Amino acid sequence: QSALTQPPSASGSPGQSVTISCTGTSSDVGGYNYVSWYQRHPGKAPKVMIYEVNKRPSGVPDRFSGSKSGNTASLTVSGLQAEDEADYYCSSYAGSNKDVFGGGTKLTVL
Amino acid sequence: VQLVESGGSLVQPGGSLRLSCTASGFMFSNSWMTWVRQAPGKGLEWVTTINPDGSEKSYVDSVKGRFTISRDNAKNSLYLQMNSLRAEDTAEYYCAKVWTFSTWDSWGQGTLVTVST
Repeated sequence: QSALTQPPSASGSPGQSVTISCTGTSSDVGGYNYVSWYQRHPGKAPKVMIYEVNKRPSGVPDRFSGSKSGNTASLTVSGLQAEDEADYYCSSYAGSNKDVFGGGTKLTVL
Repeated sequence: VQLVESGGSLVQPGGSLRLSCTASGFMFSNSWMTWVRQAPGKGLEWVTTINPDGSEKSYVDSVKGRFTISRDNAKNSLYLQMNSLRAEDTAEYYCAKVWTFSTWDSWGQGTLVTVST
């Protein structure tokens, strides 16, 4: 049950696009289409932005999109806005009713 | 939806602690529930999940045999009994409501557990 691997940091200028990766194994990311992405602002609760790899909950801007290839999932934020600056975490189902998170990526809007 | 954790404190290594999470605003008895923790300066870590009637429980390997998740649907409450605590269990502990499979949509504010002499 190792944590999924995310880059510690990512950045982009307003209006640009940025992609955050989340690498696991065939036992988690690669084995199931149950990858979620969470946005967390300091002192706030995590907010789900993407679920089941590429689905957006109601109210999440379509600037946020998710995808997966093999054992790596990705979150893309297009048209970066200042309010997108936050920590982002991926999670994946890992079988046997277990889940695993990534280490988190701090997104900075320059 | 509101989730309120309590019970966190400073405890010595080897000690025990019981965390509680009181839920309101949704059908608690129909919901899978999870405990997630975040150690200082670290990322989120899934700890344990329980199904609605309490008959299915799963744990991260590092706490298996030491932690027990339970619930009282009559009291809209979720619990985490933590025994044989270690320094590496030091973290903010959050309860979270499962929204759809393997996805959480509501989180509590957290309760801090510090394991230290």
